[in-house]
Amino acid sequence: GQSLEQPSEVTAVEGAIVQINCTYQTSGFYGLSWYQQHDGGAPTFLSYNALDGLEETGRFSSFLSRSDSYGYLLLQELQMKDSASYFCAVRDTGGFKTIFGAGTRLFVKA
Amino acid sequence: DVKVTQSSRYLVKRTGEKVFLECVQDMDHENMFWYRQDPGLGLRLIYFSYDVKMKEKGDIPEGYSVSREKKERFSLILESASTNQTSMYLCASSPPGTSGRKNIQYFGAGTRLSVL
Repeated sequence: GQSLEQPSEVTAVEGAIVQINCTYQTSGFYGLSWYQQHDGGAPTFLSYNALDGLEETGRFSSFLSRSDSYGYLLLQELQMKDSASYFCAVRDTGGFKTIFGAGTRLFVKA
Repeated sequence: DVKVTQSSRYLVKRTGEKVFLECVQDMDHENMFWYRQDPGLGLRLIYFSYDVKMKEKGDIPEGYSVSREKKERFSLILESASTNQTSMYLCASSPPGTSGRKNIQYFGAGTRLSVL
């Protein structure tokens, strides 16, 4: 079957660095994406990795290792507003379907 | 900015009713999707469409149908609502292609449906 595994919850303090891991098992792979969703809000795109390595966008970075079927989202200089759910997602080689993980709830404490 | 608009934020329906959830996007995207989101299960794909009048089943299509008569509009239909269809429903759109930012999905704010 196709699945993405990520931790259900992570807690960190303001100003710290947190890493959210994602391992995937899918029949095809076009790339790994990350989405953020605040309570009551719509998921919004954060980053995308098609090739191995690190992609950096401001305080957020995302890493991919295709040989390990593994990626992570790194959040630096955590702020209270980063408290949200984070989803990893894989685009299937069929081209249309995107499979989402169950999400990681990040709690940022003062 | 891409805008995906879902017609209702909250809906309360009775068991057996036919329910229509509407979604409109303003970026001329070919691809549109309907997901349901339940705690601990993430987003599960119900149906998607890659062109007008085209539709494909997702992972959980049972009890649902869709309609795409115009490019900008994608409707989700619950033929006979049941209590196990109480959920958050999210619509999304994306441009065609598979490279780079074409993988981004743009989501609407969601419709929280309660079936009593």
